[in-house]
Formats: sequence, structure tokens, C-alpha cells
Amino acid sequence: GAGVSQTPSNKVTEKGKYVELRCDPISGHTALYWYRQSLGQGPEFLIYFQGTGAADDSGLPNDRFFAVRPEGSVSTLKIQRTERGDSAVYLCASSSYGGLAGLWYNEQFFGPGTRLTVL
Amino acid sequence: DQQVKQNSPSLSVQEGRISILNCDYTNSMFDYFLWYKKYPAEGPTFLISISSIKDKNEDGRFTVFLNKSAKHLSLHIVPSQPGDSAVYFCAARDSGGSNYKLTFGKGTLLTVNP
Repeated sequence: GAGVSQTPSNKVTEKGKYVELRCDPISGHTALYWYRQSLGQGPEFLIYFQGTGAADDSGLPNDRFFAVRPEGSVSTLKIQRTERGDSAVYLCASSSYGGLAGLWYNEQFFGPGTRLTVL
Repeated sequence: DQQVKQNSPSLSVQEGRISILNCDYTNSMFDYFLWYKKYPAEGPTFLISISSIKDKNEDGRFTVFLNKSAKHLSLHIVPSQPGDSAVYFCAARDSGGSNYKLTFGKGTLLTVNP
């Protein structure tokens, strides 16, 4: 079956512009996560959705960042007034509910990421 | 303040030998650990995991060892193959209210030479 897909794969924008990054999770996965991976670092948590609602957005760096998941499937990460420091690979992941094992013990399946470059 | 540390940025081994990748953590609330493998231009792929109630988990050529008292885990790959060349990330989940969140180390680039 299809894995997590992300579009675009690469995005180059100018400082101050607005960008949208899209994530299509694995069909049936109720949990969706966004991470950001800066150069030389591991992925860092941004936001977690359970269904349509953002259950935890504590990792979003500031109010220029916002994410939605209106129908509980596709998610869009939105960045306003981009800055050079926003340049990174933005990774999306999804996971299913694990029943007796519990959601949290299921692995997260990652997409290939969107490489954002802010000039 | 890094809660998951992978102190070796890179490791080079010969094909057929053992690869040992190390990971240390500081948060005593972590109770589940995962290793992910990442090829260039691809997302991380889950490899193997271990719960804090165990000290070893094995899956084919991959074995993860957990030393809870030392807050240390390691991934052993034996025998190593050239296709294992990738960046390996150690990740951890905590047992508290945000136990859906993965905290990653910076990764170790493994190169397996033919």
C-alpha cells in the first residue's frame, strides 16, 4: 500500500513569503505528526493531530507556524512571513491505533519530507 | 539541552563485521526506545524498538540492548552489509502525558565498506 506522501518535495521561497506544505498520511491512520529536521540535527517534534484536532502543538516554534487537518486525513503545515531560519526538512509521520497495545507503542511511518529553503 | 545523545557522528566498518551504534539519554521518564534508519532524500524508516521492561530485543541481524541504569542503549548489526549504509537515529518516548512524541538524537552515519 501507499506510504506517507508529502508535497512538494522541494520548496524554495523568499524571506517574508507564505508557504504551505502538504502531507497525505497512510489511509486509516488517525494520528499524524509533523517534525522538522535542521541540518546536522535529528527530527524535532512540531505538532500532533488525533483525527481532526491538534492534540499537541507545543513544538511549533512561534505563531508564524500553523497546521490543519480539516477532514482527519490530509494535513497542511502553513508558515507565514518565512525567515531564513525556517530552512529545514519538514517531515510528516502517521500511525494507527494499536488496540490493546496502545497507540503510543506503534511505530510512526514517515514521509520523504519537504526540503524548504528560504532565501 | 539534548535528552537523546548520539555522540558518534559517523562510523565506518568492513562488510561482514559487527556495527555497534550507541545512544545515551538523560530523561528517566523515557520508557520506549526506537531506532530509525534514513537514506538520503527519504524519510526515516522504523528498524527496531525496545521497551524499558526489557534489556534486549532481536530481529534478524539487528539487536538492540538497553542498560536502564546507565541510561544507555546500543544497536548491533551483524553481519554488516553495504546496504546498511545510512544515517541511524535513536529515538525515545516518555511515559508521561506526551507519550506520542518522539525525541530523536542527531544521528550516526554508518558506512559499510565492501
